[in-house]
Amino acid sequence: QQKVQQSPESLIVPEGGMASLNCTFSDRNSQYFWWYRQHSGEGPKALMSIFSNGDKKEGRFTAHLNKASLYVSLHIKDSQPSDSALYFCAVTSSSGSWQLIFGSGTQLTVMP
Amino acid sequence: EAAVTQSPRNKVTVTGGNVTLSCRQTNSHNYMYWYRQDTGHGLRLIHYSYGAGNLQIGDVPDGYKATRTTQEDFFLLLELASPSQTSLYFCASSGLGGHAEQFFGPGTRLTVL
Repeated sequence: QQKVQQSPESLIVPEGGMASLNCTFSDRNSQYFWWYRQHSGEGPKALMSIFSNGDKKEGRFTAHLNKASLYVSLHIKDSQPSDSALYFCAVTSSSGSWQLIFGSGTQLTVMP
Repeated sequence: EAAVTQSPRNKVTVTGGNVTLSCRQTNSHNYMYWYRQDTGHGLRLIHYSYGAGNLQIGDVPDGYKATRTTQEDFFLLLELASPSQTSLYFCASSGLGGHAEQFFGPGTRLTVL
C-alpha cells in the first residue's frame, strides 16, 4: 500500500523566511499530489495541487514534483505568522479507488 | 466555497456506548468521506461514498459503520465504542473522486472513556 512520509515533523522559521516541507511516497504510479493546510481548531483546507513533474507556483507557495525520485515538496517564500499551521502532503493511491493517502504532517511555526 | 457541517462538535461516551456522527454537505458533491486524525498518523480514511446508498471501505474501517442516506448526508456509526476510537473525526466531500479537491468540515472530537 502507498506510504507517504513527511519531514520534518516540525519546523520553525522567522517571519519573512523560507519554509521548505518535504514529502516522499512509495507508489511510482501515483498521479495526483496535493498539499493541505490545517490551522488550529479547523478542518484541513486544500492549498495547492501538482500533477506534473517540475515546479508550480501560486503566489508565495511553490510546489515541486519529481515522480522518478518519489518526492514532492512545498516551499513558502516570505513566511507570515498566518502561515503557522499543520501541513499535509496527500498522494493518490493507484489502487482501484484512487483515494488520497495523507502523510502525518509538518507543523510549521512562523515566529514574528 | 464548499460547505460541510458536522455534528456534534464534541462528544464524550463510555466504552461500549453507541455513537453517531453526522455530516452534511450542501454543494451537490457526489463523494463524501470520513477520516480520523491522530497525532503521528495524519488523516486516515475510514469509509467513503460516491452517492446515496453507496458505501466503500477505507483504510481503517474496523469498528465503524457508515451510511449515506441522501446526497447531502453521511453518518458514521460506532456501535460498541472503545477507547482506541478516541480521536478527531473529519468529514469531507468532493465533486469527483479521490484525486479532486476535498472540502473538510470543522471536525468532531470524540472521547471514549
